[in-house]
Amino acid sequence: GNSVTQMEGPVTLSEEAFLTINCTYTATGYPSLFWYVQYPGEGLQLLLKATKADDKGSNKGFEATYRKETTSFHLEKGSVQVSDSAVYFCALNEETSGSRLTFGEGTQLTVNP
Amino acid sequence: EPEVTQTPSHQVTQMGQEVILRCVPISNHLYFYWYRQILGQKVEFLVSFYNNEISEKSEIFDDQFSVERPDGSNFTLKIRSTKLEDSAMYFCASSARRTSYGYTFGSGTRLTVV
Repeated sequence: GNSVTQMEGPVTLSEEAFLTINCTYTATGYPSLFWYVQYPGEGLQLLLKATKADDKGSNKGFEATYRKETTSFHLEKGSVQVSDSAVYFCALNEETSGSRLTFGEGTQLTVNP
Repeated sequence: EPEVTQTPSHQVTQMGQEVILRCVPISNHLYFYWYRQILGQKVEFLVSFYNNEISEKSEIFDDQFSVERPDGSNFTLKIRSTKLEDSAMYFCASSARRTSYGYTFGSGTRLTVV
């Protein structure tokens, strides 16, 4: 079946540091890939997505590229801010398997000033 | 920006009691979902609902669970006889189209079964 694996957390960075959160997936077909973010006390928000190989999703300075050859969708940001502190979830959907999202474990990011 | 609204934000219930979690999806959305996250574990799919019927459910969604869209705005998850292991954060979500376009999630209901 489908699965998503994220790098272990938590991750603590200083402001303006470079961020990478690794995400790899297992799927039988060609899934769509997503990053969701959960700020404290709030719901999951779609951060970015990519629907086919080599697509790059981007939003709010975050980027992730759909790499079919390495089955990865790593999240990156060049310069993090304190306001980026949140939990980040990688997820996939394979439409042939229905409409469900399969999530990774989530990675807690804390950015210190 | 349109929101998915969930109530209550936190519910405490005794084991064996019935509980209903409520959600108001975005008004023009057609697909509705429930997910849960047990503390320290992954977010897990429970059920999807489209055109007034369940379109997909996971192995977690057994006979103790049911969903309903009682009117044009609410979407509810009922747990008939709660168990300690039902303690989790429950997220409602809705989408206008199928999942490739992403969902809008609510902020969750934390259910504590004592």
